[in-house]
Amino acid sequence: EPEVTQTPSHQVTQMGQEVILRCVPISNHLYFYWYRQILGQKVEFLVSFYNNEISEKSEIFDDQFSVERPDGSNFTLKIRSTKLEDSAMYFCASSGLAGEQYFGPGTRLTVT
Amino acid sequence: KQEVTQIPAALSVPEGENLVLNCSFTDSAIYNLQWFRQDPGKGLTSLLLIQSSQREQTSGRLNASLDKSSGRSTLYIAASQPGDSATYLCAVYTDSWGKLQFGAGTQVVVTP
Repeated sequence: EPEVTQTPSHQVTQMGQEVILRCVPISNHLYFYWYRQILGQKVEFLVSFYNNEISEKSEIFDDQFSVERPDGSNFTLKIRSTKLEDSAMYFCASSGLAGEQYFGPGTRLTVT
Repeated sequence: KQEVTQIPAALSVPEGENLVLNCSFTDSAIYNLQWFRQDPGKGLTSLLLIQSSQREQTSGRLNASLDKSSGRSTLYIAASQPGDSATYLCAVYTDSWGKLQFGAGTQVVVTP
């Protein structure tokens, strides 16, 4: 069964460093999303992406964040200068025309 | 602004009992609603998607109902098993195939 994959599973970085989180969505899906979950809190929407552009972003998704689909299979989230409060689990999701979103296993980002 | 609430926050039942998990949302103008399962430190597994025109959806021992007018959805899990122990999240689509807004989840423990 097709699934969304994410790498790395765990990333540790120092405050101020740039990180890139990678996702491979399900191959025939058209819509891509990033969410995050701070420990003990709700899953929060960050950004949605369709047709090579951002379709919607939340207040959290400020200028420090960017997304890219560099080729036909990968979808990346870049955080330019990480802060302690960026520590969270980051989930990638994708959906096809039927709309149901499928989530990856997540990347745990720890900023020290 | 849409708010999604799940009550109770935690639930413990003996094996074999039926589980009833509640989700409420403040704005009835939702597109669809999706139930997920989350195991500790893991990603989100989609359980059921209920489209806005549907009243319920079934998959095996799982049945989810949706009443948009009252802003409620209920997930029923029949004949619970220890393997059903997890956190169950409901999420609403606030626009067509766009971002999901999540509840905080109900943590379920099924004791043998």
